[in-house]
Amino acid sequence: EAGVAQSPRYKIIEKRQSVAFWCNPISGHATLYWYQQILGQGPKLLIQFQNNGVVDDSQLPKDRFSAERLKGVDSTLKIQPAKLEDSAVYLCASSGLAGVSYEQYFGPGTRLTVT
Amino acid sequence: GDSVTQMEGPVTLSEEAFLTINCTYTATGYPSLFWYVQYPGEGLQLLLKATKADDKGSNKGFEATYRKETTSFHLEKGSVQVSDSAVYFCALSKYGNKLVFGAGTILRVKS
Repeated sequence: EAGVAQSPRYKIIEKRQSVAFWCNPISGHATLYWYQQILGQGPKLLIQFQNNGVVDDSQLPKDRFSAERLKGVDSTLKIQPAKLEDSAVYLCASSGLAGVSYEQYFGPGTRLTVT
Repeated sequence: GDSVTQMEGPVTLSEEAFLTINCTYTATGYPSLFWYVQYPGEGLQLLLKATKADDKGSNKGFEATYRKETTSFHLEKGSVQVSDSAVYFCALSKYGNKLVFGAGTILRVKS
């Protein structure tokens, strides 16, 4: 079974530029999560989708971050404009329906450096 | 809000030593508890989990018991190997929703 795919793996941009990350979850997984992991900290949820609806985006900085999950499969996370403090690893995870399967499977992450 | 606190690292052990990484949590309701591991250059992997009080999760020689009375989920292994060197994260989740992670503990095992 293929795992969670993410691209790109690394990205370096200057502050005020925009960037987009892509995630393809495990086939059949209804729930998709984006986490931000700043160096030396645990991952923190940015947004959770169930199918193509948003379940939780309370920690998403909506003035600069946006995310979508068209057709309930792939997802894109965008930052515009980027700030220095956005330097982090962005992790995508997927799981079965919330309440049915608790295990989240993580992709390899995208390491973003903002200079 | 819900939170997880785990012991600071790095933890440095010799091969075959006993390992304990402490984890405590604060949460309303009845969370499920997890240990995730991140090996160098790899993504997060689920190591073990427990979904209710007194459950013991185990995998690859690691164990942790869900203690509701002390709100703890300490990770233990009887004999560590160099290959266990990694970052270990304690986490909780309620109703299959977001994982709330601790800050992570770096484990270094010397041969």
